[in-house]
Amino acid sequence: DSGVTQTPKHLITATGQRVTLRCSPRSGDLSVYWYQQSLDQGLQFLIQYYNGEERAKGNILERFSAQQFPDLHSELNLSSLELGDSALYFCASSVDGQSYSYEQYFGPGTRLTVT
Amino acid sequence: SQQGEEDPQALSIQEGENATMNCSYKTSINNLQWYRQNSGRGLVHLILIRSNEREKHSGRLRVTLDTSKKSSSLLITASRAADTASYFCASTSGGSYIPTFGRGTSLIVHP
Repeated sequence: DSGVTQTPKHLITATGQRVTLRCSPRSGDLSVYWYQQSLDQGLQFLIQYYNGEERAKGNILERFSAQQFPDLHSELNLSSLELGDSALYFCASSVDGQSYSYEQYFGPGTRLTVT
Repeated sequence: SQQGEEDPQALSIQEGENATMNCSYKTSINNLQWYRQNSGRGLVHLILIRSNEREKHSGRLRVTLDTSKKSSSLLITASRAADTASYFCASTSGGSYIPTFGRGTSLIVHP
């Protein structure tokens, strides 16, 4: 158990809908990262938050947004869903987010299926 | 685009054998990490090796780094069925603290 929790575990929804994925980082970790994992794209970095502020942005679509709250939990919002958004979405956390020598702790993921 | 690429894509061995996975990357790195992912689960951090290190050990795991060849290898000795998983390398480079993951090697260890 990494200490990172994600809800829900599975989500099935229709195209055009909007969903919210939730992540609670490990106790003491200030940095949260969101990744998308699909068979054809591998593990793609979406966005990082550090202590409530956006720190780095990756391949995140404009239809997607995220935030980190004062209690450090984070939410990833996916809107106008398309079939291609079906994937595993992982949240990871780390103590720091500004050094090269840290490890990330991954949550169990949310499997999103868009029908 | 992928910074690291693992090779082979898939590896099937018998319990007790050693498993070697390789990772090649394109640009100079700050560090390189190896992660394991069991089917449908989150990634688990295995080892981090810095760019000025050449070899690291952790239990049955041995990681080497050859910066001249821009490659790293992960050796699992005396493999067990429980080692069956996908293994990913992830590296940071330039001014980015965000690790870039390869596509992974799928390892199957037959009991």
